Amino acid sequence: KAGVTQTPRYLIKTRGQQVTLSCSPISGHRSVSWYQQTPGQGLQFLFEYFSETQRNKGNFPGRFSGRQFSNSRSEMNVSTLELGDSALYLCASSTGTGGWETQYFGPGTRLLVL
Amino acid sequence: AQKITQTQPGMFVQEKEAVTLDCTYDTSDPSYGLFWYKQPSSGEMIFLIYQGSYDQQNATEGRYSLNFQKARKSANLVISASQLGDSAMYFCAMRGADYKLSFGAGTTVTVRA
Repeated sequence: KAGVTQTPRYLIKTRGQQVTLSCSPISGHRSVSWYQQTPGQGLQFLFEYFSETQRNKGNFPGRFSGRQFSNSRSEMNVSTLELGDSALYLCASSTGTGGWETQYFGPGTRLLVL
Repeated sequence: AQKITQTQPGMFVQEKEAVTLDCTYDTSDPSYGLFWYKQPSSGEMIFLIYQGSYDQQNATEGRYSLNFQKARKSANLVISASQLGDSAMYFCAMRGADYKLSFGAGTTVTVRA
C-alpha cells in the first residue's frame, strides 16, 4: 500500500498571503489529522477529519482551517500568514474506527513565511 | 489534558549497543494508548511501537521494545543492537479520552560507529 502523501513538500510564502496544503491518506483510511511542528512549540495537534467532518480540534486560531473530501483526501488552509506559521506541517491518517489506533504520517510540508 | 515528558534532549550510543529512551506521562484518563515515533532528518514521522494501557505484556516490535510501568506512568523505549540508521529524533506520544495525539519534546539519538 502507498503511504500518506503530502503536497507540496516545500513552500515559501510572504506575510499576509494564504496557503493550502494537501494530504492523501493511506488507501482505506478515513481519518486524517494535521499537526504543526516548530522548534519552539514542538508537535501540536491542529485538527482531525473523519467522513468529511471535523471530529477533533486543537487550540489554533481560526486562520487555520481544513476540510476533507469524499475520497478522504484532506486540505489544510492557513489564511493571513504570519512569520510564526513557519513550520513543518504533518498529516497523519488512520482507519478512523476509534480507540487508540495508530496514526501513520506523511513526509510533511515545510512552510517558510517571509 | 495529557502531558508527556521526555527528559533526555540528546543521547549518544555506540553501534550494536542498546539504548533506553525515557518517557513519563500524566493523565487522569482510565485508558489510553502510548506510541513511539522516529523522525529522521528528512522530517517524516515513522511509527515504531504501540502499547495499550490495559495490555498486560510489554510491546515488542523487532529491535524495539516498550518498558511499560503503569503505576509509575512511564513508557520507556528500548532499542537493542543500535545501528547507524537509528540516528534520529524519537518522540513519545499518547492518545487519551479526547483521542488527540499529544507528543513529548523528543530525544535526539546519535549512533556512533
